[in-house]
This record gives sequence, structure tokens and C-alpha cells, in this order.
Amino acid sequence: KQEVTQIPAALSVPEGENLVLNCSFTDSAIYNLQWFRQDPGKGLTSLLLIQSSQREQTSGRLNASLDKSSGRSTLYIAASQPGDSATYLCAVSDTNAGKSTFGDGTTLTVKP
Amino acid sequence: DAGVIQSPRHEVTEMGQEVTLRCKPISGHDYLFWYRQTMMRGLELLIYFNNNVPIDDSGMPEDRFSAKMPNASFSTLKIQPSEPRDSAVYFCASSLRQMNTDTQYFGPGTRLTVL
Repeated sequence: KQEVTQIPAALSVPEGENLVLNCSFTDSAIYNLQWFRQDPGKGLTSLLLIQSSQREQTSGRLNASLDKSSGRSTLYIAASQPGDSATYLCAVSDTNAGKSTFGDGTTLTVKP
Repeated sequence: DAGVIQSPRHEVTEMGQEVTLRCKPISGHDYLFWYRQTMMRGLELLIYFNNNVPIDDSGMPEDRFSAKMPNASFSTLKIQPSEPRDSAVYFCASSLRQMNTDTQYFGPGTRLTVL
């Protein structure tokens, strides 16, 4: 059974700092890995999707990497802003191309 | 496209009552997912459909839960009878499985409170 762990559970940084969020998974036979953002009381918004054959994806100030063999992914946020404050979740989709397992998320607070 | 639409946004009911949650996926998407989110258990996949057919319902907690997808544009998640421990936010998501893209798009969720 796939297990996804995100560390740390919460992170507080001053504005402008670069930061890294971590995601690890136990079964490396994955189809893809997705990073989401969730604002309080809201649904999830997809940030980046990395296929199992890819090593990284970039979107603006965000960069996600994937090391399938070690079961790890990182989400790098450059020059953090207060608007980046949210909970970030990673989700791993299995090779049957449908079932996703989510981590518990990292709650990020960026202080002005 | 309006995105994934869920209704109602909030539901408060009493224990023992039947609850029906509704979802309209993004047009053209061939996968539909139902998730439940609680503080204790995080985000859990309950069931997902491919082309209206249930593929994996192993996450459905009990027989009190059932889900249907009568057509490509509509799905329901029903709880009968409801219990206080079913209180959670229920999300519906859809995706289009194509080479190099498989992004799941989430609806705003239905916040269910069972008294």
C-alpha cells in the first residue's frame, strides 16, 4: 500500500526567503506525482504535475523535482510571498493510472 | 469551462438521514474521483470512475456509502444512513488521461455536518 509523507507539517518563513517542501513515498512504481495548493476552506488547486519519466517541472517561482528511485519529491518556492501562505499537498498516482494517494500536507506561512 | 461543480456547498443533517452529494465534472474528462477530507485522516480517495464505470471503490468506508455515475456529466455520492463520524469535506475531482497530462481538477467541496 502506497504511503505518502510530507515533512515538515508546518513551516513559517519571512517574506523573500527561498524554501523547500518535501514529499516521500514508499512505492516507487508510480505513474505521476502532483503538487497541490489548498487555501483554508477551499478546494485543491494543481500546481505542478511530474510524469514518472520526468525529473522536474517548473512554473514561475515553483520548481518540483522527482527522484523516483529514492521515493522523493521536492517543491522549491523561490522568493516567497505572503500570498504563498497555504497548505501544500503532494499526491502520487499509481501505475494503474487512476488511484492517487495524498500526503497530509505542509502548512506554509510566509510572514511579511 | 466552469470547472468541477459540486452541490450543495454545505449540508447539515441529523444522524440517520440520507445525504446525497452531487458532482458535475469538467466536460470531456474521462476520470472522476470522490475524496473525503478530515483533520484526523487527511485526504482520502473513496472511489473513482473511468468513462462512467467504477474502477476502484476500496476507499469507500462502509456499505452506507454508495456512488453512481449515470452519465459522463453527473455523479452522486450517497450516505444512508448518515452518522456523525461522516462529517467531513467531500471533494469531487476530474481529469483527462492523456499522454503527458493527468492533472486532477478539484471542485470546491461539500462540507457535511451530521449532528
